[in-house]
Parts: sequence; C-alpha cells; structure tokens
Amino acid sequence: DTEVTQTPKHLVMGMTNKKSLKCEQHMGHRAMYWYKQKAKKPPELMFVYSYEKLSINESVPSRFSPECPNSSLLNLHLHALQPEDSALYLCASSQNVGGVGETQYFGPGTRLLVL
Amino acid sequence: GNSVTQMEGPVTLSEEAFLTINCTYTATGYPSLFWYVQYPGEGLQLLLKATKADDKGSNKGFEATYRKETTSFHLEKGSVQVSDSAVYFCALLLSGNTPLVFGKGTRLSVIA
Repeated sequence: DTEVTQTPKHLVMGMTNKKSLKCEQHMGHRAMYWYKQKAKKPPELMFVYSYEKLSINESVPSRFSPECPNSSLLNLHLHALQPEDSALYLCASSQNVGGVGETQYFGPGTRLLVL
Repeated sequence: GNSVTQMEGPVTLSEEAFLTINCTYTATGYPSLFWYVQYPGEGLQLLLKATKADDKGSNKGFEATYRKETTSFHLEKGSVQVSDSAVYFCALLLSGNTPLVFGKGTRLSVIA
C-alpha cells in the first residue's frame, strides 16, 4: 500500500477563518512533507518532518502552522490566510529523508480557495 | 545550485505517436532522478526513477536512462495513449537533508 490520504479534498475559507488540513499515511514512513502548488507550476516545498520533528521550514509565513502529532499524521493549520494562498496543498511521505533514491509518495491534495 | 530543466510545453501528439520529453539537470553531487506524473485534478504519482549512471527506469511503457555524461534523463514512450495526457515533472534528489528539486513540468495532450 503506497497511499497517502488527505482531507478535505476541497476547502473554501475566508481570510479570518481558522481551518486545518490533514494528511495520513500507514506505510511506516518517518518523513512527511507539505508542498504548495499553484496552477501550472511545480510543487514548492513548505515543511519537512523527520521522525516527528520539523527539519525543514522553507521560510513559510507564520499563518501556516504545521503539526505532526505522530508518525502517521501530519496537519497544516491555517489562520488569517490571504487570497494569494489559494492553491493545491500536497502532502507527501518517504521512508526517510535524503536517502539515495528516496521516493516521495504524494497524496491527492487539498484544493484551497481563500476568499 | 541544483536545478532541473525540462522542455517547454505544451506537447500535443496523436495517439500512437512516439513521445520524448527532454530533461537535463545541474547538481552539486550525484543525484537520484525521478519522473512524476500529475493527471488532471490529482496529486503527483511516481512514474519511474534511476539512482546511478546508465540505470534505466521503466514503468507503464515509459522509459528514461540516467546519462551522467550529458546530465540528462529524457522520458520516452513508444506509443502514447489518450490516457497519458497529464503534466510530467522531472526531479532530482541529492542525499542528505535536501529537498526534491522539480523541473517546471511539461503538459502532454494526446488526441485520438
């Protein structure tokens, strides 16, 4: 099973709302990632968790707050977002970070619209 | 720095045509190379990968060979189908705590 699941599939929120995106994997992977993807662009890395600890934060604004409650779950808490934050948010996981040929497995994404 | 360059799209082909999508890379080190595919409205799926020079990755009729001398990893398929219409991303990964580096993506449209 190489499945990464994400909920919700779609989300519409106002600029004053607080919402959370959820990601889950049951492959025993120890690394999990959040990416942001704008239309017709490649994914941009936001955060990396390795063994439930934040290992990379690509200078993401504080209105995005990641959380890794356990090795299978990854959340992204959203607060006071801007319309330009509208995008597809992708979660991924891999066995570890940075091994040779380490494959990242992606979820289907949450399509976020900020009004 | 590390980077991936893909041919500009979109690429439009007739069904059963031969496909090549060029990918070249620049890396400070010895990367692993990947092709991911993104179908409309979906996340990315690993298509194939190679971890050392002259390795050939293959899957679903797609192939790519890791060419160290030309720093390339071109994607090929002998006979495309309408269902292959998607965006294809070439990517590299170096060992250590470094991110996956994507190319800009190439949109492929296959018409019947």
